[in-house]
Order: sequence, then structure tokens, then C-alpha cells
Amino acid sequence: AQSVTQLGSHVSVSEGALVLLRCNYSSSVPPYLFWYVQYPNQGLQLLLKYTTGATLVKGINGFEAEFKKSETSFHLTKPSAHMSDAAEYFCAVSSTLGRLYFGRGTQLTVWP
Amino acid sequence: GAVVSQHPSRVICKSGTSVKIECRSLDFQATTMFWYRQFPKQSLMLMATSNEGSKATYEQGVEKDKFLINHASLTLSTLTVTSAHPEDSSFYICSATLKPGDQPQHFGDGTRLSIL
Repeated sequence: AQSVTQLGSHVSVSEGALVLLRCNYSSSVPPYLFWYVQYPNQGLQLLLKYTTGATLVKGINGFEAEFKKSETSFHLTKPSAHMSDAAEYFCAVSSTLGRLYFGRGTQLTVWP
Repeated sequence: GAVVSQHPSRVICKSGTSVKIECRSLDFQATTMFWYRQFPKQSLMLMATSNEGSKATYEQGVEKDKFLINHASLTLSTLTVTSAHPEDSSFYICSATLKPGDQPQHFGDGTRLSIL
């Protein structure tokens, strides 16, 4: 079975500060892992994904995430936050059938 | 990139009416489409998985007769909320993939449904 835990439903950072959004997963098979961003009243936009290969994955808008199997983690980071990064972020793991299991989401607030 | 269009983006209607939401893959043929429901400040909950030409597979607790899903073509899936009531008010989002198990899923922009 697959599941995702996002630690911290709200994260606040100052503009220019490091962004760290935490995600831990549980999977009975080698996982495919994803980070999505959602702006108000919109669908989900894929930030990055891990399937196989390099464990440090770079995505759009300067975000990256590192797959750590020993820690069952896939934390999302960005070196310097921008006001436009304020949004809801979802971590997800997929099953072999393609179904996505989402975490509860983390609301990122960026202060000027 | 792959584009999924969802229509309407917002609908407000009276209790008891039926509402149809369309999900279209604009530049690829989607064998599989997913329908999600999202309550305010919460995550997405999968309602059902639809494969073109076959019956949808509903998640436990989702009423099949309440939420009718049709996936008659490779570019269109519809979700009809029948006899909608205020508790059906929510944000509904679809996603599509080229084939079963394919990743990533491509999401529509969602439909905000408000039942008065």
C-alpha cells in the first residue's frame, strides 16, 4: 500500500529564504514520487518527479527534491523563496497502476 | 506539454439539479482519466478511475449512482453529479494519462461546484 505524510500543514518563510517542505512516503513497491503545486481555484501543476535514476531531481521554478530511500523521504527545497511561490504544495506517490496517493498538502506563505 | 481542459470552471445551481462536468485532453489521447474531489484546505481524494470504453472503477464510499462517469472517447470524460445537494459542493478535478499506469498525470484546472 502507498501513503504520503507531509509534515507541517503551513510553512512561512521570508522572501529570499530557503524553502523546505517535508514529505515522507510509504510504498510496498519502488515508488514513483511527485511534487505538485496548486494555486487558488486551479488544478495541479507538476513541479518535479522521481521515477528511477538520479536521486536529486530538479524541477521547474528553481525547485528540487531528493529521494532518500533509507529515510523514505522526498523533501522539496528551493534556495531562495519568491513571492510567487506562495501556494499549496502536494507530495504524491503512485502505484503501479498509476493511481496517485496525495499528502494533505502544505500551504507555503512567503513574507516580503 | 499535455493539456487537459475542464469545463465549466465554476457552476452554481439549485439543490436537486444535475450538473455535468467535462474533462478533455486537448493534444493527446487519454486512455485513462481520473476524477478527484477536494474539500477546502484538504487534499485530493480519488473518486473514480475511468478507462475509455469501459465502466468506471469507483473508490470505496463513492456513490456510483450519484456520480455518473462516462468516458466515451479518448479525449473526453464527463462527471455528472445527479440530484445535487449542498453537501456535494466541492472542487472537482480531473486528470488524464495516455495509458493506464502512465505518469505523470495531467490535471485540469478544476470545477468549483456550489449547490444552493
